[in-house]
Amino acid sequence: AQSVTQLDSHVSVSEGTPVLLRCNYSSSYSPSLFWYVQHPNKGLQLLLKYTSAATLVKGINGFEAEFKKSETSFHLTKPSAHMSDAAEYFCVVPMDSSYKLIFGSGTRLLVRP
Amino acid sequence: DADVTQTPRNRITKTGKRIMLECSQTKGHDRMYWYRQDPGLGLRLIYYSFDVKDINKGEISDGYSVSRQAQAKFSLSLESAIPNQTALYFCATGEGTDTQYFGPGTRLTVL
Repeated sequence: AQSVTQLDSHVSVSEGTPVLLRCNYSSSYSPSLFWYVQHPNKGLQLLLKYTSAATLVKGINGFEAEFKKSETSFHLTKPSAHMSDAAEYFCVVPMDSSYKLIFGSGTRLLVRP
Repeated sequence: DADVTQTPRNRITKTGKRIMLECSQTKGHDRMYWYRQDPGLGLRLIYYSFDVKDINKGEISDGYSVSRQAQAKFSLSLESAIPNQTALYFCATGEGTDTQYFGPGTRLTVL
C-alpha cells in the first residue's frame, strides 16, 4: 500500500538559514511525487513535482527536492529561508493509476526574524 | 488558484442542518475532487468524479453526497451535519497527469 510520512510536524528556522523538510514514502507505484504548500487561509499550491526526468527537482520560490529511491525519501530544501516561506507543506504521492493522491500529515514551517 | 472557486468560504451551521458546498472551475478539467482537512491528518478524499457521469467514493464518504451538475461544477452536500464534520473542505481539479489544482477552501463549523 502507498503511504507517505512527514517526519516533522513543526520545523522552526531563523530567516536566512537553510530549510529541510523531510518526507519518506512507501510506494510500489511512484511515477511522480509532489510537494504542495498551504499559506495561512489559502488553498494548496503546487510547489514542485518529480516525474523521473531528474532526481533533483526545482520548484517555485527557491525550493528544491531530491528523489532518493534507495532511501525512499523526497526531502524539500531551500538554502535561505524567507519570512514569506512560513506555511504548511505537504508531501504527496499518487495512490495508483487512478489519479488519487495520498497526502502526508503536513509540516508547519515557522520562520523567526 | 482563481481558476477553482469555492462558495461559501466560511459557514457556521447547527447539528442536523443540510449544507451544500459548491465548487466551480474554469480550467476545463474533467476530473474533480472533494477533500477535507483536519489538523495533523493532511487531506483525505471524500468523493471524486472523472466526468459528469462518473462519481466515486473516496476514503471518508460516509455522511456526504455529491452532485456533478456540469463539467465545471461539483457540489458537496452534508445531508444532516454533525459536529465532527467541522473541518476545512477543499475542491480540486485535474486533467491529463496526476497533478491536482486546489480551490481556496471552505471552513465549515457545525455547532
